[in-house]
Amino acid sequence: AQKITQTQPGMFVQEKEAVTLDCTYDTSDPSYGLFWYKQPSSGEMIFLIYQGSYDQQNATEGRYSLNFQKARKSANLVISASQLGDSAMYFCAMRDGMNTGFQKLVFGTGTRLLVSP
Amino acid sequence: DTGVSQDPRHKITKRGQNVTFRCDPISEHNRLYWYRQTLGQGPEFLTYFQNEAQLEKSRLLSDRFSAERPKGSFSTLEIQRTEQGDSAMYLCASSPDRGYYNEQFFGPGTRLTVL
Repeated sequence: AQKITQTQPGMFVQEKEAVTLDCTYDTSDPSYGLFWYKQPSSGEMIFLIYQGSYDQQNATEGRYSLNFQKARKSANLVISASQLGDSAMYFCAMRDGMNTGFQKLVFGTGTRLLVSP
Repeated sequence: DTGVSQDPRHKITKRGQNVTFRCDPISEHNRLYWYRQTLGQGPEFLTYFQNEAQLEKSRLLSDRFSAERPKGSFSTLEIQRTEQGDSAMYLCASSPDRGYYNEQFFGPGTRLTVL
């Protein structure tokens, strides 16, 4: 069965420093996608970055990069040069069966990031 | 592009009442999803539409829950005979039917409180 594990309930980082948010996953399907979303206090989920199971390179999107280690089944999010506006909940999610019609995203429990000045 | 909108943003109801939420996806997105998020948890998938067809439905969606997307545009989620355990944020998302990973764009959610 699909499962996403985020073991860090909360993380603290100082402004302008880098931070890594951990995510491990479990699936028996060789074709899957991993997503990171940010949820500020307003509640809206904001898509940050995507990594496909067959992608050869780690995904990057501006200050966000994904440290994808397939053998360890981990997909950690790295935020470089943290900003105060990065303070939010961060969710890792997975969709497997990418070659089928299944569309369900399975989310982890999230990590609350607090960026201090 | 006005984004995914949901109405109402907040709903307080008494146990046993019926409630209905509406979701308007991003125009030209033919895929629409409903998720439920309880406090301290990530969103949990409820159901998925491609155009007007409901193609996936979670076991979380009991008989008291029904979702529709009659013309393949907006969708409604109805909860009959609400229970206190239904209190949660109900999130709607949409995605285009193109590309490989079909990023889901989320709305602001409807927060339901059942007294």
